[in-house]
Amino acid sequence: GAVVSQHPSRVICKSGTSVKIECRSLDFQATTMFWYRQFPKQSLMLMATSNEGSKATYEQGVEKDKFLINHASLTLSTLTVTSAHPEDSSFYICSQSQQTDTQYFGPGTRLTVL
Amino acid sequence: QKEVEQNSGPLSVPEGAIASLNCTYSDRGSQSFFWYRQYSGKSPELIMSIYSNGDKEDGRFTAQLNKASQYVSLLIRDSQPSDSATYLCAVNMDRAGGTSYGKLTFGQGTILTVHP
Repeated sequence: GAVVSQHPSRVICKSGTSVKIECRSLDFQATTMFWYRQFPKQSLMLMATSNEGSKATYEQGVEKDKFLINHASLTLSTLTVTSAHPEDSSFYICSQSQQTDTQYFGPGTRLTVL
Repeated sequence: QKEVEQNSGPLSVPEGAIASLNCTYSDRGSQSFFWYRQYSGKSPELIMSIYSNGDKEDGRFTAQLNKASQYVSLLIRDSQPSDSATYLCAVNMDRAGGTSYGKLTFGQGTILTVHP
């Protein structure tokens, strides 16, 4: 399967600050990446679909101005949580789709907002 | 509403037994089905994908799909303690192509515990 990395793996920040999470495709040029959020003991919730060279498509209820997604190259997509608050604390996971329906996930980023 | 539902669990089986995990989905037009395993604190890893009715076997894992009944299952034979994890069923419910490629809807997951 595809190799996807995320950085950082864990981040703690103060309320009101912004946090950027990077998702890299290490072995494939990914035209499409997905960003998920997972709260404790819950399943994955898709936040947005990131397409290289175009605007991301956000799921209903996800604030696009709060969760900024940039997919500037075929190997890198970034998610920026702006003005983070404690309720944004979660496990953020990206995934890559190699022009099929199969998704391969990155290792995830655990965000804690104090 | 498009949904994927899994048996709630938790499911506990003895080592060496067969673990059976079940999943139903609401969109009759769904074409692609996946089982992921997620260990605590980790991201999901793909176990199986299945697209056609019937069984698909990979080692100790067998995925079963019945599109008429909108049902997909995962059997784990000779269960091991290392199989203890949350198993997520995922379904592609958006086959519009183009930018909808690969969009998955996940079930809530079934926690499996294999005890020695």
